[in-house]
Order: sequence, then structure tokens, then C-alpha cells
Amino acid sequence: KQEVTQIPAALSVPEGENLVLNCSFTDSAIYNLQWFRQDPGKGLTSLLLIQSSQREQTSGRLNASLDKSSGRSTLYIAASQPGDSATYLCAVTPVNSGGSNYKLTFGKGTLLTVNP
Amino acid sequence: DAGITQSPRHKVTETGTPVTLRCHQTENHRYMYWYRQDPGHGLRLIHYSYGVKDTDKGEVSDGYSVSRSKTEDFLLTLESATSSQTSVYFCAISVGAGEKLFFGSGTQLSVL
Repeated sequence: KQEVTQIPAALSVPEGENLVLNCSFTDSAIYNLQWFRQDPGKGLTSLLLIQSSQREQTSGRLNASLDKSSGRSTLYIAASQPGDSATYLCAVTPVNSGGSNYKLTFGKGTLLTVNP
Repeated sequence: DAGITQSPRHKVTETGTPVTLRCHQTENHRYMYWYRQDPGHGLRLIHYSYGVKDTDKGEVSDGYSVSRSKTEDFLLTLESATSSQTSVYFCAISVGAGEKLFFGSGTQLSVL
């Protein structure tokens, strides 16, 4: 069974710092990997989706990389801002799912706090 | 929240009572999902729907049933609520099975 781990569970940084969030998964046979953001009391917002054939995806100050062979993904946030404070979750789908969302396995998330 | 409304937003109920949560979307997306989120477990899929009257079980479907009689509405029913079903429930939608997910704001359910 696929397991997705996110370490650390919580991270606190000063504003302006560049930071990296980590996601690891036990089964490298994945179709894609997604990063989500969750604000307190809210649902998840999709940030980036990386197909298994890709190495990275970028959106603004966010860059997500994927290393399937080592079972790892990182989310890089440049020039962090207090508005980036949220919980960040990663999720993977298995290769035999065709990328179907109903096969998503989520990590438990990293709570990021960016201090002014 | 991408045209997704969950109701109620908060509910407190007693063990053994039936509970129905509603998810309403205005996006006309084909796929709808119900998840629960618990500390220590993360998000887990309960049921999903791939069209009107077409539903299937997810990872943690025991004790839950769903119905979808219209494209825009997906109902989650706890037939006889138990304390283990205290959780935050999220509805999500997507255009296709592997397309981007959009989430509602959640329903906080407490079963006493």
C-alpha cells in the first residue's frame, strides 16, 4: 500500500526566506504527484501537478520537483511571505490508475508559518 | 471555492441518529467526491460519483452511503452516526477523473 510522508510536520521561517517542503512516497510506480495548500478552516487548493514523465513544474514563486526513482518530491517556495502560511499537502496516484483522483493517497501535510 | 457549497458547515449530533451532508456545485463538473480529514490520518476518500446515479466506494466507505440524483448535488448520509465519524468532511469536484480537484470549505461534524 502506498504511503506518503511529509517531514517536517511543522516549519516556521522568517519572511523573505527561501524554503523547501519535502514529500516522500514508498511506491515509485506513480502516475502523477500533486501539491495542495490548505488554509485554516478551508478546503484544499491545488497548486501544482507533476506528471510522472516530468521532473518539475513551476507556478510563480513555487517550484515542485519530482524524483520518482528515489520516491521524493520537493516544493520550493521563493521569497516567502506571511500570506504563504498554510498547511501544504502532497498526494500521489498509482501508475495503474490512469491518474484517477479516486486513487489519490495524501500525505498528512506540513504546517508552514511565515513570520513577518 | 470554485462554486462548491457544503451544508451544513457545522453540525453536532448524537450517536445513533442519521445525518445527511450536502454538496452543491455550480460548475457542472462530472466527478464529485466525499473525503474525511482526521488528525493522524490525513484525507481519505469515502465515496465518489462519476455521473448522475453513478457512485462507487472509496477507502473508508463503511457506515456511509451516497446519492446523486442531479449533476449539481451529491449527498453523504451517515445511517446511524457513531463517535468514530466525528471528523471534517470535504466535498470535491473535477471535470474528469484525473483532472484538477476543487474542494469545498468543509463540514465539521461532531457525534456525541
